[in-house]
Amino acid sequence: RKEVEQDPGPFNVPEGATVAFNCTYSNSASQSFFWYRQDCRKEPKLLMSVYSSGNEDGRFTAQLNRASQYISLLIRDSKLSDSATYLCVVNLNAGGTSYGKLTFGQGTILTVHP
Amino acid sequence: DGGITQSPKYLFRKEGQNVTLSCEQNLNHDAMYWYRQDPGQGLRLIYYSQIVNDFQKGDIAEGYSVSREKKESFPLTVTSAQKNPTAFYLCASSILAGVKETQYFGPGTRLLVL
Repeated sequence: RKEVEQDPGPFNVPEGATVAFNCTYSNSASQSFFWYRQDCRKEPKLLMSVYSSGNEDGRFTAQLNRASQYISLLIRDSKLSDSATYLCVVNLNAGGTSYGKLTFGQGTILTVHP
Repeated sequence: DGGITQSPKYLFRKEGQNVTLSCEQNLNHDAMYWYRQDPGQGLRLIYYSQIVNDFQKGDIAEGYSVSREKKESFPLTVTSAQKNPTAFYLCASSILAGVKETQYFGPGTRLLVL
């Protein structure tokens, strides 16, 4: 089983649609979780951090279910500019200042069309 | 402007040649990282450094070398021992903040083998 698993998609949705991505992780000791957005041939950029049960930022909502070991990202009212690859990232960090290894999912491709 | 810079944007390597990728940050971040991204795959950690003059191997360090002589700089050398170097190389940095550690990425270098 992969450490972080995402549905690669692609997801093709019309503008204005609501779309949700799921991500599962295998290590129950994982402490923090992130969604990054990566545009074609660009670097990943932080979209949201998730430390507790969830986080909301405008049209974007991330939820964490530790019991089932999955994280979700919900995008409401999709825009053309939301088209990108969304990376689920898990940090296995026991706290303190020690390095916490980030493990990346392979990404979910989203295309929003007119 | 604070940020992470990588150069060059594109790099061509001849067989048997060592090449060095530059990564500089002016964010005063403690930790720096090198990742490799191949098409359809998640990012994989090559090397990381939490402090000047110290660095650790990641998951795929073979064929690569690094140095950390200054806090701001973390160059990566792709040696001739790396048999499949064609990839997108991403440098990242972070403040060591335990479970809230967040990594930020530079714009990347695309390495192609001639």
